[in-house]
Amino acid sequence: EVQLVESGGGLVQSGGSLRLSCAASGFTFSSYPMHWVRQAPGKGLECVSVISDNGGRTYYASSVKGRFTISRDNSQNTLYLQMGSLRAEDSAVYYCARAWAAFTIFGVGTDYWGQGTLVTVSS
Amino acid sequence: AIQLTQSPSSLSASVGDRVTVTCRASQDISSALAWYQQKPGKPPTLLIYDDLSLEIGVPSRFSGSGSGTDFTLTISSLQPEDFATYYCQQLNTYPHSFGQGTKLEIK
Repeated sequence: EVQLVESGGGLVQSGGSLRLSCAASGFTFSSYPMHWVRQAPGKGLECVSVISDNGGRTYYASSVKGRFTISRDNSQNTLYLQMGSLRAEDSAVYYCARAWAAFTIFGVGTDYWGQGTLVTVSS
Repeated sequence: AIQLTQSPSSLSASVGDRVTVTCRASQDISSALAWYQQKPGKPPTLLIYDDLSLEIGVPSRFSGSGSGTDFTLTISSLQPEDFATYYCQQLNTYPHSFGQGTKLEIK
């Protein structure tokens, strides 16, 4: 059974940093691109970042580019999101999600999602 | 970035109704579109990918159509468990933007 479990969320002051983790199990983690998607309270979904299966390619939303860094450790089956220079508008539930096709980012959405971890940035 | 506009933003309907949600892209995305369902407090679940292919386990009352810039999600006969928020997502270019969502409520 595919499982994705996020952790690392919490309350942080504006300008601060936080690192989110996503522990994956039940599939060959190293074969799949992985995404971070966020959802502000009561709002819609926003793609934050995606990383290729081997970590060699990364992409970011313009709203987080230069402040957030996505990475992965395929030996530990773990995805990360290092968030810096946090702003109030970064407050959201952050989900990790698996691409539905191995080795492919473009043209491919997400089939499994974690339950999310809440990040609250206080101003 | 590609913008997706869903309509309507909210919809009231009854069990057994046929419902259609539309999604319009700001540029041609071919068939690179997915639909998700989200219930309160839960992550989204994939319904339809590649514009019209049903994800495994999704009931056949759900269907998708369209290509280019105009897409539709149709639920042929609403069931109580279908009341949720629906999002389209384009997969043509990153960021894989989402529509703003359509909240389907019980009439």
